[in-house]
Amino acid sequence: EVKLVESGGGSVQPGGSLRLSCAASGFIFSSDAMTWVRQAPGKGLEWVSIIDTTGVGTFYADSVKGRFTISRDNSKNTLYLQMNSLRADDTALYYCVKGNNCDDWGQGTLVTVSS
Amino acid sequence: VMTQSPLSLPVTLGQPASISCRSSQSLVHSDGNTYLSWFQQRPGQPPRRLIYRVSRRDSGVPDRFSGSGSGTDFTLKISRVEAEDVGVYYCMQGTRWPGAFGPGTRVDIK
Repeated sequence: EVKLVESGGGSVQPGGSLRLSCAASGFIFSSDAMTWVRQAPGKGLEWVSIIDTTGVGTFYADSVKGRFTISRDNSKNTLYLQMNSLRADDTALYYCVKGNNCDDWGQGTLVTVSS
Repeated sequence: VMTQSPLSLPVTLGQPASISCRSSQSLVHSDGNTYLSWFQQRPGQPPRRLIYRVSRRDSGVPDRFSGSGSGTDFTLKISRVEAEDVGVYYCMQGTRWPGAFGPGTRVDIK
């Protein structure tokens, strides 16, 4: 059974940083691209970033480009999202998602950016 | 850009329902596949994928759900709506990065 467990969310002031982690199990982690998707409170889904199987290929939504960095450690079956220069509109539930086409989803970790 | 219609869909139990999704560009990938997926999000839960590559149902998805379409126009159909189908439905394109979701269609019971 695929399991994706996010952690690292919390409350932070505007301009601050957070690092999200996603522990993956139940599949061969190094064989799948991984995606971050977020959902602001009461809003729809927003695709944030993707990383290929090796960690070399990455892509970002324009809204986070230059501020967020996606990475992975295949030896630890873990996905990361380093978030810098956080803004109020980054407040959302952040989901770790398996694959290019979002096969399986974690439960999410909540990030709140507020002064 | 992904658009969906309608954005709100009140349905009668046992009746069919249909949601349209449109892309501003063709979703045919250079490998010949079309990476259009449909997701269901029930209240308080993470999304769950129902359909991938336009018409392939994920494991465990009831066969009352079906997907169709090509190029830029796609449809999700529920043949007979059940109470557990209440929620928000999203289409998503994975053909090119960045990926993109539609705005969502809220399905509820009349």
